[in-house]
Amino acid sequence: QLQLQESGSGLVKPSQTLSLTCGVSGGSISSGYYSWSWVRRPPGKGLEWLGYMFYSGSTYYNPSLNRRVTVSVDRSTNQFSLKMTSVTAADTAVYYCAREGPSVGGFDLWGRGTLVTVTS
Amino acid sequence: ETTLTQSPSFMSATPGDKVNISCKASQDIDADLNWYQQKPGEAAILIIQAATSLVRGIPPRFSGSGYGTVFTLTINGIESEDAAFYFCLQHDNFPYTFGQGTTLEIK
Repeated sequence: QLQLQESGSGLVKPSQTLSLTCGVSGGSISSGYYSWSWVRRPPGKGLEWLGYMFYSGSTYYNPSLNRRVTVSVDRSTNQFSLKMTSVTAADTAVYYCAREGPSVGGFDLWGRGTLVTVTS
Repeated sequence: ETTLTQSPSFMSATPGDKVNISCKASQDIDADLNWYQQKPGEAAILIIQAATSLVRGIPPRFSGSGYGTVFTLTINGIESEDAAFYFCLQHDNFPYTFGQGTTLEIK
């Protein structure tokens, strides 16, 4: 059974770059026409979709992030990544990776999430 | 951007109760809405897709209804294991957006 697991630095200093990876286990990230996303939930707030890499390799990002986000897929290591530049305290959140399938609109599989705190 | 207004943000129910959670979209999203359940420390689980389709393996006490701008998640005959955070997602247009979520407490 396919599973997603987020990993990365839990503490990031303001103005630096947040980097997270999502490992895909139990299957290949390359199989099927799946797309891969990142979502976050700041403390006390709702969920926010950040960005997306389609199976074709094209990407789309939430305009609210002002081009600070990059999503990439590394098929050789069976994982995908999130990079967010110029972070501030407002970027403190639980970050989730998620998969969207070709037949199910929206996300059909999620990771458990990882807390990232932006602090000096 | 489509805004999803979800209510209530918190509810408390007794085993056996019927509960409804609402999700209202700021524009027509057809049936492009999913419902999810998340328990603390666990991955979110897709329970209803395309507004009304129950996902395989999800108990039939869960159901979804609605189309266009008004959607409802119903749990008919609440069980203690249903205590969780529930949220809706619209995937009709980018950026995908979420409801604020509902925390369901079982008394």
